[in-house]
Formats: sequence, structure tokens, C-alpha cells
Amino acid sequence: DAKTTQPPSMDCAEGRAANLPCNHSTISGNEYVYWYRQIHSQGPQYIIHGLKNNETNEMASLIITEDRKSSTLILPHATLRDTAVYYCIVRVPFNTDKLIFGTGTRLQVFP
Amino acid sequence: GAVVSQHPSWVICKSGTSVKIECRSLDFQATTMFWYRQFPKQSLMLMATSNEGSKATYEQGVEKDKFLINHASLTLSTLTVTSAHPEDSSFYICSARDISSGNNEQFFGPGTRLTVL
Repeated sequence: DAKTTQPPSMDCAEGRAANLPCNHSTISGNEYVYWYRQIHSQGPQYIIHGLKNNETNEMASLIITEDRKSSTLILPHATLRDTAVYYCIVRVPFNTDKLIFGTGTRLQVFP
Repeated sequence: GAVVSQHPSWVICKSGTSVKIECRSLDFQATTMFWYRQFPKQSLMLMATSNEGSKATYEQGVEKDKFLINHASLTLSTLTVTSAHPEDSSFYICSARDISSGNNEQFFGPGTRLTVL
């Protein structure tokens, strides 16, 4: 699976959009981009995933660049409960079950 | 739906004892479950892949005789930390793959915090 690079930490004001970047320059054509988050002392929670088109669900939006070498997770209106570590993972979903977690981005939402 | 539970949520034990952690998929069947370990302020590290009815597959550097994994049913996998020592103190998290999910998604348990005195 391709490696990903994320900033170690970010801050965001409550109510504002949080934009979390991820670089995956070695991604291959059949690898998807997945985002999970982990709130302190809990198990990871799935957020969203995509292949090449932008995706949106009730939690977030995922913007993938045209060359697929990077992506951005957008939390449109961050709340204090969104404070967590966010992990970007790339994998081929039906080729491997393994999720290899990088260091992630620690997002702190402040009042 | 897609709920994974772990038991216990936390455990404190003496050095040298064995500790069993259960991972259950509550509303779906899971032929494959995964065990992760997370030290403070670090990321999750995959320890092993647990397959129902067969031997687990361990990641490089993980001692299979120390971390015994049993996956006897489609809804239960257990991790036993044998002869635990203080360096085994960690947050242990399991995940389960929903075989009926078209996305092949994994769902995570809430974790078990092990403290070895």
C-alpha cells in the first residue's frame, strides 16, 4: 500500500471548515483513499473513502486531486467533538484487508 | 448496525499473569478480524489478522506464542497476552470485516486498555 504524509497537527475554530490535507504521491491506479479518525481513547471511526471522484457524506467531504497524488478531507462546520486524530490511508479494498495507519493529523477544534 | 464490542474495556494485572481480551461483532458476521496495539501518543500498529477457523497471521516482530489469537466463531475473536509484563501495557483494539458489506469495510471496537504492574 502507498505511504501517506499528513501534517502532525492543525487547529480550527468551532463552526469553521476544517481542511485536512494528505499527500499520497505514490498511489497506484486501483488504490482508494480512506479517512478514519480516532477520538481520544476510543477505536478508530470510518469517515469516508474515494477513488478519484470527490465524495460527500453526512460527516465530511473528500476532495481528490486530478492526478490523485493528494487529497483533502473537509469537515464543513467543525465542532468541539471533531477534536481527534485523523488518519489518511490508501489501499486496494478487495486486494488486502490490512489498514496500515500512519501518524495522522491531530485536529484541535477550539471554541 | 456494524457494532464491534470488546471486553474488558480496561484491565490491570500483575506481571507474569495472562490476560484474555474478547472482540465481538454484534450484528454481523466476520470471517476476518484484526488486532492492533497502540502505545501512548503513537499510531495503531497491526499485530495480527485473525481468520475464523484457521491460524492467525502475525505481523513481523509480533510473538505468536506471547499473543495467542483464537477465532472460533464468526462473531468472536480472542487475544490472550500470556505472561504479561509492564512493557505489554498498551491500548489493544480489534476490528472486524463485515463479509456482507459491499465495501469490504472494517469496523473497530472501543479498545481495551491493559496495564501490567
